[in-house]
Amino acid sequence: EVQLVESGGGLVQPGGSLRLSCAASGFTFSSYWMSWVRQAPGKGLQWVANINEDGRKKVYLDSVKGRFTISRDNAQNSLYLQMNSLRVEDTAVYYCARGGPGKWGQGALVAVSS
Amino acid sequence: DVVMTQSPLSLSVTLGQPASISCRSSQSLVGSDGVTFLNWFHQRPGQSPRRLIDKVSIRDPGVPDRFSGSGSGTEFTLKISRVEAEDVGIYYCMQGTLWLFGQGTKLEIK
Repeated sequence: EVQLVESGGGLVQPGGSLRLSCAASGFTFSSYWMSWVRQAPGKGLQWVANINEDGRKKVYLDSVKGRFTISRDNAQNSLYLQMNSLRVEDTAVYYCARGGPGKWGQGALVAVSS
Repeated sequence: DVVMTQSPLSLSVTLGQPASISCRSSQSLVGSDGVTFLNWFHQRPGQSPRRLIDKVSIRDPGVPDRFSGSGSGTEFTLKISRVEAEDVGIYYCMQGTLWLFGQGTKLEIK
């Protein structure tokens, strides 16, 4: 069974940093593009970043470029999102997603507030 | 910039009746290889999104056949032939190359 389990969410002050992790299992992790998608409270879905199978190609939402870094460790079947210079408007549930995206994790809540 | 527009934004349907959601793109979604990357997702309250339809009309494994996707170019439709109670929630279309989501359509039971 495909499983994507996010961790690392929490409350952080504006300007702070947080690192999200996503542990993947049940499929060949190194064969898939992976993504982060977020959902602000009561709002719709917004793609944040993609990374290709070997980690060499990365694409970002304009508003997170230079602040967020997506990465992966295929040996550990893990996806990461390093979030720096966090803003109040980054508050959201962050989902790890596989491929198209055909599979989603349960999400990790990131709250940016003073 | 490409914009994905869904309509209606909310839908109230009697159990057993059909439902239809439209998704329009401001630009054609047909890729150079002829493939159209248009997905449909369903998100139940308090749950993660689940993909229902891939590439306009391909149902994901386990998705009931009462769900169907159609369309081409800039206009796409998700149809539910007979709405069931478990279908409540929000439906999103997504352009699969720019990863742009529609605003979402909230479906409730009348």
